[in-house]
Amino acid sequence: GAGVSQSPSNKVTEKGKDVELRCDPISGHTALYWYRQSLGQGLEFLIYFQGNSAPDKSGLPSDRFSAERTGGSVSTLTIQRTQQEDSAVYLCASSLRSDSYSGNTIYFGEGSWLTVV
Amino acid sequence: GENVEQHPSTLSVQEGDSAVIKCTYSDSASNYFPWYKQELGKRPQLIIDIRSNVGEKKDQRIAVTLNKTAKHFSLHITETQPEDSAVYFCAARISSNTGKLIFGQGTTLQVKP
Repeated sequence: GAGVSQSPSNKVTEKGKDVELRCDPISGHTALYWYRQSLGQGLEFLIYFQGNSAPDKSGLPSDRFSAERTGGSVSTLTIQRTQQEDSAVYLCASSLRSDSYSGNTIYFGEGSWLTVV
Repeated sequence: GENVEQHPSTLSVQEGDSAVIKCTYSDSASNYFPWYKQELGKRPQLIIDIRSNVGEKKDQRIAVTLNKTAKHFSLHITETQPEDSAVYFCAARISSNTGKLIFGQGTTLQVKP
């Protein structure tokens, strides 16, 4: 597609429910990132996928958070038993590749605004 | 651990003045440093980037400088305009094979007409 696509754009859920957020990266991009941005805050790294390598999950804040990337393309971020502090914008980004010797630009999606009530 | 510190958190300048935003990083092997601009309610977008083998890069009114010894890099915006008002994020790509990009906390720039 023309850009990184995320869905839903907005999600309101009740505390304790599970949510799934979807990211469709730019076609051909092998690197995919998830970041979280709380209101007025910075971009908090969550997880990173690169090709067929094991994902870097070091930013996931708790075991309630998980992410998958099927077929090297679409990714789903799942938050189980949501809490109010999970309310934030979840941003997905992708790039052609990502390694220590490349500076390929990462392109962000519009984000999924999650509100836990 | 991996960390990027960004200062100031807010910056207000008069139109036409210059603005400077500074970042420091912790991983001495970091080799790629992009800057993103995020307008209210919109996605972050790349405005300029620099690699570790370069000390300075310019693109019209925007420039970035890198001091590898000090692990410090800065964004310079000259002749600021009201449309430059936004949140600016610096980032550093860590050196591990994951290629993870760590962002600073952001600087809210307000350009007063």
